[in-house]
Amino acid sequence: GQNIDQPTEMTATEGAIVQINCTYQTSGFNGLFWYQQHAGEAPTFLSYNVLDGLEEKGRFSSFLSRSKGYSYLLLKELQMKDSASYLCAVRDISGGYNKLIFGAGTRLAVHP
Amino acid sequence: EAGVAQSPRYKIIEKRQSVAFWCNPISGHATLYWYQQILGQGPKLLIQFQNNGVVDDSQLPKDRFSAERLKGVDSTLKIQPAKLEDSAVYLCASSRGTGETQYFGPGTRLLVL
Repeated sequence: GQNIDQPTEMTATEGAIVQINCTYQTSGFNGLFWYQQHAGEAPTFLSYNVLDGLEEKGRFSSFLSRSKGYSYLLLKELQMKDSASYLCAVRDISGGYNKLIFGAGTRLAVHP
Repeated sequence: EAGVAQSPRYKIIEKRQSVAFWCNPISGHATLYWYQQILGQGPKLLIQFQNNGVVDDSQLPKDRFSAERLKGVDSTLKIQPAKLEDSAVYLCASSRGTGETQYFGPGTRLLVL
């Protein structure tokens, strides 16, 4: 089967660094996406990993270990506007076509 | 480049009524997706189109939900009759091809009373 786990909620302080973890189990792994979703808004694309290692994009970085079924999203120099849900999504090809499976999301609250 | 457009943004109906949602994807995007997002959960794929053909509708409750993308561009999702548990946000997304980065519309917030 397919399973994606991420913490339900996290809190952090403005200016700090936070790491949001995601573990997954899937039979046809073909890449992992991170999306940001502000309350009442649509998800917006943040990052994509298909090979092991770290992808850096400004204040946001995402890491993938395929052998461990593990990814994390690292947010640096946190700002109040980073308060949002962060969705881990696995691209699975076990059905013969690519399909995106989302985790439940991690709700991040950034406080002053 | 214009994003994914959806309408209406909000809809309130009573149970057993019908409702329809419309989506216009990003120009040139061949793949279109409809997701259901219940409060506190991640989006769940309902149906995926490649041009005007269905790629995956395994999680679409076909006794009450239907979707079409007749000309391979915009799409409609219909619920008939609606149940209380259909209260959710219905998100439309599009991508250049299957497996490529998906871009989401603003969603339609449905409340069934």
